[in-house]
Amino acid sequence: DAGVTQSPTHLIKTRGQQVTLRCSPKSGHDTVSWYQQALGQGPQFIFQYYEEEERQRGNFPDRFSGHQFPNYSSELNVNALLLGDSALYLCASSSKDRVGNTEAFFGQGTRLTVV
Amino acid sequence: QKEVEQDPGPLSVPEGAIVSLNCTYSNSAFQYFMWYRQYSRKGPELLMYTYSSGNKEDGRFTAQVDKSSKYISLFIRDSQPSDSATYLCAMSAGWSSASKIIFGSGTRLSIRP
Repeated sequence: DAGVTQSPTHLIKTRGQQVTLRCSPKSGHDTVSWYQQALGQGPQFIFQYYEEEERQRGNFPDRFSGHQFPNYSSELNVNALLLGDSALYLCASSSKDRVGNTEAFFGQGTRLTVV
Repeated sequence: QKEVEQDPGPLSVPEGAIVSLNCTYSNSAFQYFMWYRQYSRKGPELLMYTYSSGNKEDGRFTAQVDKSSKYISLFIRDSQPSDSATYLCAMSAGWSSASKIIFGSGTRLSIRP
């Protein structure tokens, strides 16, 4: 089982540019969440996708958008990059079932540096 | 005020010591309480989760939740150098422990051989 995979692992972008990060969930999982982790801080929830729709959203501006594909993989897009967007971006996958108690598995993250 | 408060440390203890990590929170709606371990340049790994109040033990790890005090703890017995990492407390008010997770800022732990 490959677990949650994210690409790329590292990325350097210039202020004002746009970036797309990708995530493949753990086998059997249908829900993908994205988190931003600034240096020395805990991860902050950006949004969650299920059935190709955004189901929950954290306190992030509209510059942050996402997409989920029929195969459950997901993309995180950030427009008009700011220096403050430099962080580790984490993808977590889980599955929705009637039991409800499903664990979120995290990927290794994409380290984004904005210069 | 942050929803979840956690002492950032760093915390340094000798090998074999008992480690106590703690968090406080303000949102009474939290139902799932988790502890994640994060090694440098890695994603968080779930150590334990508890639904509502009570204690849960798994090997050398014990998690405690006191909802009346809005206080959660993680105890590590017989600590090992391999336990050196950042420990994140986390909470969720949603339908499961995987719903919108609110994390503490993390405590850096170092176990001295």
